[in-house]
Amino acid sequence: DQQVKQNSPSLSVQEGRISILNCDYTNSMFDYFLWYKKYPAEGPTFLISISSIKDKNEDGRFTVFLNKSAKHLSLHIVPSQPGDSAVYFCATNTGNQFYFGTGTSLTVIP
Amino acid sequence: KAGVTQTPRYLIKTRGQQVTLSCSPISGHRSVSWYQQTPGQGLQFLFEYFSETQRNKGNFPGRFSGRQFSNSRSEMNVSTLELGDSALYLCASSLVAHGGDTQYFGPGTRLTVL
Repeated sequence: DQQVKQNSPSLSVQEGRISILNCDYTNSMFDYFLWYKKYPAEGPTFLISISSIKDKNEDGRFTVFLNKSAKHLSLHIVPSQPGDSAVYFCATNTGNQFYFGTGTSLTVIP
Repeated sequence: KAGVTQTPRYLIKTRGQQVTLSCSPISGHRSVSWYQQTPGQGLQFLFEYFSETQRNKGNFPGRFSGRQFSNSRSEMNVSTLELGDSALYLCASSLVAHGGDTQYFGPGTRLTVL
C-alpha cells in the first residue's frame, strides 16, 4: 500500500510563477516529512523537511506546508526557475523505514 | 564530509548473470537503504540495513539480497538477472533512520540487462 501519495504525475509552470506540488499521506502518526528533488540519472537530493510540530517551514524559495487534519503537505516554489525542472518526491519516515511518493515531474517553462 | 558513493556507476549484464553493487555511506551513518527506480516508477524500497542487520525488507523476490559490513558499507546482490531488473539502483544513508532523520542518496548505479 502506498503510504505517501502524489496524485499529480506532472506539472508545468511558467518561469517566475509559483509551483505547488502536493502530497497526501495515510497515517496520522507520521510526524516528519521530507521533499527530495531528482534530476535524470542522478540520486535524489534532499530539499526541505518539516516536523509535525510545525505547519510551515521555509528555506529560500522553497516552503513546505503541513495540514495535519487533512493529512496533506505541499511544496511551494516561488519564483519558479527553469533549473527547478526535475522530479519531486515527498517522503516520510516511521520506524526504520522511509516511504516515498511516486513523484511529480515539474517543468518550468522559460 | 564526503557524500554517499556507489560503484560502479554503470553496468551491463546479460540475463542469467549475477551482479553486485556497492555503497559507501556518509561517515557516521549506520543505516543504509537500497531502492530500485524504473522509468515511470517511484522509488521502490528493497531493504534497509543497520549495524550489519537487515531491519526492513521490501516486496522483492529472493534474488535480491544485501549485506552490510562493520564499517557500514553495504553491498546489494542480484542473482539470475532478468530483463526487468534493468533500473537505476539507489543507495541512501542516514544516521539511524528513526524519527526526524534525513536520508541522503548516492548517484545510483544504472544496471542494464540484455
